[in-house]
Amino acid sequence: QVRLQESGPGLVKPSETLSLTCSVSGDSITNSDFYWGWIRQSPGKGLEWIASIYYSGTTNYNPSLKSRVTISVDTSKNQFFLKESSVTAADTAIYYCTRGHYGGKTYYPPGEWGQGILVTVSS
Amino acid sequence: EVVMTQSPATLSVSPGERATLSCRASQSVNSKLAWYQQKPGQAPRLVIYDASTRVTGLPARFTGSGSGTEFTLTISSLQSEDFAVYYCQQYNDWRTFGQGTTVEIK
Repeated sequence: QVRLQESGPGLVKPSETLSLTCSVSGDSITNSDFYWGWIRQSPGKGLEWIASIYYSGTTNYNPSLKSRVTISVDTSKNQFFLKESSVTAADTAIYYCTRGHYGGKTYYPPGEWGQGILVTVSS
Repeated sequence: EVVMTQSPATLSVSPGERATLSCRASQSVNSKLAWYQQKPGQAPRLVIYDASTRVTGLPARFTGSGSGTEFTLTISSLQSEDFAVYYCQQYNDWRTFGQGTTVEIK
């Protein structure tokens, strides 16, 4: 059974870069049946997709965040990452890493989620 | 951006009764619509995808329906474990969520 675990700093200063890691166990991040993604949840904005990546390297970004966000993978460590630059208080949220099925050119909604990590943006 | 609107915001239902949740899209999303259940302190859990397909192991009392812009999640006889917040999400044009419906005990 796949397990996803987020890690990273819980506190980031405004204007700095938020960096998160998702460690995957129980499946290979190169499994062509799945894609990997980040979703965040905040009281103000609710649930919001951030970005996703497929094992081939294909990435997809939320248009409203695209200029500040990068998603990447390290297949040797079976991990994927999120970097979000120039953060503000509006980026304060619980960040989840997820796995979803990919098939027939469709990115199906994620069936597996990490427990989430609270990231607070504050000086 | 496709805007997803859920109604009502809160639904008060007695155990054993039926709950009907609505989700409307600002433009057609075909049948690329999912429902999630979230309980306090937990990550959302996928329950329905492709508008009407239940995930493996989901009780048959959960039924998803609709296509285009109007969708419904029906829980036929609410059990104690069903009281939670439910979100819809479209994945036809990028991916956007509704704001959620809280199903609470009446």
